[in-house]
Amino acid sequence: DIQMTQSPSSLSASVGDRVTITCRASHSINRYLNWYQQRPGRAPKLLIYGTSNLHSGVPSRFSGSGSGTDFTFTISSLQPEDFATYYCQQSSNNPRVVTFGGGTKVEIK
Amino acid sequence: QMEVVESGGGVVKPGGSLTLSCVASGFSVTTYGMHWVRQAPGKGLEWVAFMHYDGTTKTYANSVKRRFTISRDGSRNTLHLEMNSLRSEDMAVYYCVKDNKKTVGSNLFYYMDVWGKGTTVIVSS
Repeated sequence: DIQMTQSPSSLSASVGDRVTITCRASHSINRYLNWYQQRPGRAPKLLIYGTSNLHSGVPSRFSGSGSGTDFTFTISSLQPEDFATYYCQQSSNNPRVVTFGGGTKVEIK
Repeated sequence: QMEVVESGGGVVKPGGSLTLSCVASGFSVTTYGMHWVRQAPGKGLEWVAFMHYDGTTKTYANSVKRRFTISRDGSRNTLHLEMNSLRSEDMAVYYCVKDNKKTVGSNLFYYMDVWGKGTTVIVSS
């Protein structure tokens, strides 16, 4: 099974800061990597699919890059509504098995 | 507008059984793959099970294999998760999630784009 490791597990940042989260896969997953945001008490929400493609309606301050085993998620200028937990997720298709990273909690400094 | 609404959560004793349901609206569960994802209190997301849109291909997390069964009722546009031999570690909020895919260049990407609000399962004696 493919394991996904996110770092850091938490970080503190201020509004306007640039924030970067990394996600590492135990085996190459090409670019089959998605990112989700979960605000407290809410269901997760898709932000980015296929490493770098913004889901419909997602602000352009969110971006992603990488391939193979190493991926990066960036918020270019942190906004108050971005304080949340972010999860990476790999999605192999044969068979269809999904693995989430452990999450990164972005807190207010 | 696409939406899924879960129900069926509750309190169950260890070793007991429970069946969760998820009613979809705005799309058909026979057209899209569907997942169950759970989140234990204070923990991260854990994928539980997937049903392909063809209704025959099903995959499960190792932690629930042979105890949980994913199924659907196309006539009611409803997804189910039958949970048996429940353990304390199964206690979580269970989300029903719609699968989707998109081709970008030469790649076909799969992702989860519609999430329900979740239903809570408590396993306690």
